[in-house]
Amino acid sequence: GAVVSQHPSWVICKSGTSVKIECRSLDFQATTMFWYRQFPKQSLMLMATSNEGSKATYEQGVEKDKFLINHASLTLSTLTVTSAHPEDSSFYICSARVSTSHEQYFGPGTRLTVT
Amino acid sequence: QKEVEQDPGPLSVPEGAIVSLNCTYSNSAFQYFMWYRQYSRKGPELLMYTYSSGNKEDGRFTAQVDKSSKYISLFIRDSQPSDSATYLCAMTRQAAGNKLTFGGGTRVLVKP
Repeated sequence: GAVVSQHPSWVICKSGTSVKIECRSLDFQATTMFWYRQFPKQSLMLMATSNEGSKATYEQGVEKDKFLINHASLTLSTLTVTSAHPEDSSFYICSARVSTSHEQYFGPGTRLTVT
Repeated sequence: QKEVEQDPGPLSVPEGAIVSLNCTYSNSAFQYFMWYRQYSRKGPELLMYTYSSGNKEDGRFTAQVDKSSKYISLFIRDSQPSDSATYLCAMTRQAAGNKLTFGGGTRVLVKP
């Protein structure tokens, strides 16, 4: 199957700082990428849809100024958590849709801890 | 009522048994169906992708889709302890921007 990578896999940052998470499709082109957040023992919560070359579409209740998403190429999307606070601590996962079909592949996730 | 219903389990089976998982959905507009396996603290792994009613087989996995009944299933043959995980069904439609709608996940435990 297709491979999606995320970097970093785990990050600890201090309250008030910003953190950038990268999501890459390694062996396919992805015109659409999605960003999710997952709390322990809960299902994935969609945060935003990212289309290459255009502005991201955020789900209701997600602060677009806090969670900045950039999809600069067909293989890379980034999520920047700005002015992070402890309540932003979570597991962030991206997925990428294969351009020629509707399959979606997920990255391994990034664990963010804000102290 | 949720758009996609999935029994949360846990479903406990002995090693070598067949694991049977299913989801029901209410929106007949869903076109594409996926099954994912998720281990704790990992991203979901795509197991099966289908877009038409019928069966699809890949190794130990068989996916079934019955659009008339709005029901999908996943069968895992010769289950192994390494299959112990949470299994998520997901579905989407092009008109919704390909956003996935997930079931709540079924936790499966395969005992040696």
